[in-house]
Amino acid sequence: GAGVSQSPSNKVTEKGKDVELRCDPISGHTALYWYRQSLGQGLEFLIYFQGNSAPDKSGLPSDRFSAERTGGSVSTLTIQRTQQEDSAVYLCASSETVNQPQHFGDGTRLSIL
Amino acid sequence: RKEVEQDPGPFNVPEGATVAFNCTYSNSASQSFFWYRQDCRKEPKLLMSVYSSGNEDGRFTAQLNRASQYISLLIRDSKLSDSATYLCVVDPSGGYNKLIFGAGTRLAVHP
Repeated sequence: GAGVSQSPSNKVTEKGKDVELRCDPISGHTALYWYRQSLGQGLEFLIYFQGNSAPDKSGLPSDRFSAERTGGSVSTLTIQRTQQEDSAVYLCASSETVNQPQHFGDGTRLSIL
Repeated sequence: RKEVEQDPGPFNVPEGATVAFNCTYSNSASQSFFWYRQDCRKEPKLLMSVYSSGNEDGRFTAQLNRASQYISLLIRDSKLSDSATYLCVVDPSGGYNKLIFGAGTRLAVHP
């Protein structure tokens, strides 16, 4: 069966450019999460969506970061005016409901030059 | 105090050893607990859920101590393939909020 799908798998871009990262969750999962992980570090929570409720944006590090989830399925994480410190692996996860185990995608490895 | 705390390790053990990791959590209302495994440069994957009565899955045993607010993972007869980072995961508010991931404990099993 299809797992969580993320694209692109790798993205290299210049400082100051905008990037969009995509996540396609497991079908039927109502909760969707974005994390980032720098090399050798733990998961840093960014944002999560649960059904039609307002998203929990408490982990977004700055107003350059935003995310949408259209139609309760696919989500896009957008980073505007990228900085070198944004370089990390961005992981998306989904779960049936908010307190159920999360299933992760392979991540997008973002490198800002 | 962090919501979920783990010893970062690394734990370096020989093949065949038994190793145990502990994790403490701050919110006594927590209801759901999990252990995830993350291999180097890979995404985290669910290893096992943790039940109140304790549970076992092959060489892996998970236990929960609500009074002391800690969770443990015991690995018996360690294999080289067990080398990874083990993440403790807690639902901090009884099912109404997102799961919280610990920073992980690194395990290295050597021949």
